[in-house]
Amino acid sequence: AQSVAQPEDQVNVAEGNPLTVKCTYSVSGNPYLFWYVQYPNRGLQFLLKYITGDNLVKGSYGFEAEFNKSQTSFHLKKPSALVSDSALYFCAVRDPSGGSYIPTFGRGTSLIVHP
Amino acid sequence: EAGVAQSPRYKIIEKRQSVAFWCNPISGHATLYWYQQILGQGPKLLIQFQNNGVVDDSQLPKDRFSAERLKGVDSTLKIQPAKLEDSAVYLCASSPSPNREFYFGPGTRLLVL
Repeated sequence: AQSVAQPEDQVNVAEGNPLTVKCTYSVSGNPYLFWYVQYPNRGLQFLLKYITGDNLVKGSYGFEAEFNKSQTSFHLKKPSALVSDSALYFCAVRDPSGGSYIPTFGRGTSLIVHP
Repeated sequence: EAGVAQSPRYKIIEKRQSVAFWCNPISGHATLYWYQQILGQGPKLLIQFQNNGVVDDSQLPKDRFSAERLKGVDSTLKIQPAKLEDSAVYLCASSPSPNREFYFGPGTRLLVL
């Protein structure tokens, strides 16, 4: 079975500071990992994904994520936060060895960037 | 490239009434998904279509929910009769193929009174 956890319901950061949104996962095989962002009254937007290769993945809007197999984590990061980054962030995992193409989404983390 | 379209954006109904949602995926996307997102939770898959065939509907409450994707393009999701716990945002997503990232529509916010 595949599962994903986002341990923080909310992350607060000051504009200009680095941000990290945490995600850990559990799969039986090698994971496919995704980050999505949801702005108010909008659908989810794809940010980035890890399938294979370099552990540091770069995505949209200056975000990046680091795949750490030993810690089963895929934390989302940005060197300098913007107020406009305030949104709901979802981590998702898929275990291709399980034969399913359906990712499991985390509960989401609300990122609040203060001016 | 046009995104995933959904309508209506908002719907308020009374319990035991019926409601239908419509989704038009990105052109050429063979895979279509319906998700239910309850406030404070991550999206939960209801049903996955590959072209006009159902791939996974194991989490669809089939006693009250139904979905179809005629001609492998547009899709409709219906709830009949609605319950209070069906209040949620219903998200439609499409993907070029099952192992690619999803493109989500804006969602339909349903309130059941």
